[in-house]
Amino acid sequence: GNSVTQMEGPVTLSEEAFLTINCTYTATGYPSLFWYVQYPGEGLQLLLKATKADDKGSNKGFEATYRKETTSFHLEKGSVQVSDSAVYFCALSDHAGGTSYGKLTFGQGTILTVHP
Amino acid sequence: NAGVTQTPKFRVLKTGQSMTLLCAQDMNHEYMYWYRQDPGMGLRLIHYSVGEGTTAKGEVPDGYNVSRLKKQNFLLGLESAAPSQTSVYFCASRPGPAIANYGYTFGSGTRLTVV
Repeated sequence: GNSVTQMEGPVTLSEEAFLTINCTYTATGYPSLFWYVQYPGEGLQLLLKATKADDKGSNKGFEATYRKETTSFHLEKGSVQVSDSAVYFCALSDHAGGTSYGKLTFGQGTILTVHP
Repeated sequence: NAGVTQTPKFRVLKTGQSMTLLCAQDMNHEYMYWYRQDPGMGLRLIHYSVGEGTTAKGEVPDGYNVSRLKKQNFLLGLESAAPSQTSVYFCASRPGPAIANYGYTFGSGTRLTVV
């Protein structure tokens, strides 16, 4: 079955530091890959996505590249802010047209805390 | 605002009590999902629905039932609550297969404590 593994957390950084959160996956076929962010007390929000190999998803200064050869989708940001403090989830989905019905498989989440 | 609405936001139950969590979406999405979130375990799929009148089991369905009598609503029921069901529950929806690679829209969650 499908699985997603994220780097162990929590991650604590100073403002303006470089961020990397590692994500690797196991899946059959060609899944779509996502990063979701959860701010305190809220639901999950889609941060970025990539649907095929070598695609780069980007949003709000965050980037992730779909690497099929290493089955990875690492999240990066060049300069984090205090407002980026949240829980970040990597996820994958088989295509909705198949029998998986677009179900998402999530990693365990990585807590990011950014200090001023 | 359009989106996914969950009620209630918080609830405390005694062991053995029953309750229903309501999820409503106004985006005309075909697919709806119920997940539970537990520390260190990410989100795990409980049940899902691919259209009005349909339901299917996810990864952790035991102790839960669901119904989708109307396209916009997806109900999650606990018939006899247990402490192991203490969790945060999230509902999500997405369009059907005609729109590929679409991310979910999540509700804000229901925090349930079973004592």
